Amino acid sequence: EVQVLESGGGLVQPGGSLRLSCAASGFTFSSYTMSWVRQAPGKGLEWVSIISSSGGTTYYADSVKGRFTISRDNANNTLHLQMNSLRAEDTAVYYCAKRSSRAATDWGQGTLVTVSS
Amino acid sequence: QSALTQPPSASGSPGQSVTISCTGTSSDVGGYNYVSWYQQHPGKAPKLMIYEVNKRPSGVPDRFSGSKSGNAASLTVSGLQAEDEADYYCNSYSGSNNLGVFGAGTKVTVL
Repeated sequence: EVQVLESGGGLVQPGGSLRLSCAASGFTFSSYTMSWVRQAPGKGLEWVSIISSSGGTTYYADSVKGRFTISRDNANNTLHLQMNSLRAEDTAVYYCAKRSSRAATDWGQGTLVTVSS
Repeated sequence: QSALTQPPSASGSPGQSVTISCTGTSSDVGGYNYVSWYQQHPGKAPKLMIYEVNKRPSGVPDRFSGSKSGNAASLTVSGLQAEDEADYYCNSYSGSNNLGVFGAGTKVTVL
């Protein structure tokens, strides 16, 4: 059974940093593109970033480009999202998702990031 | 990158069908056969229901079907059941950002 489990969310002040992690199991992690999708409170879904299976190719939403960095550790089946210079508008539930056929096929339960003073 | 256009709400009685539209452009929906649909119940993570326009993942009932014509896609839920009441989001791959673009979501109510 495919499982992805996010961690690392919490309350952070504007301008601060946070690192999210996603532990994957139940599939060959190193063979799949992985992604982060976020959902602000009461709002819709937004792709944040994706990373190729090898980690050699990454893409970011314009809203986070230059501030967020996606990375992966294929040896330990783990995906990360380093978030710097956080803003109030980054407040959201962040989901880790396995990506295939340009769709998010398997989702974690999400981790809440709150940016507030 | 503009969001795909979905109606904010849709409804139907048990046993009936409901169809949700999703309109984009030639840079997303119309340009690629990578439209996907997600179901989200309150407080839960989204769940993939349809991918590549009309393919169902294992375990998704065949009451759910997808289609596409030009720059518009649609999701049809046939034989509505109480558990189908949820928010539904469409998504399309976009050549503009290599990520994709979501619709704003449609709340489906089972009357």
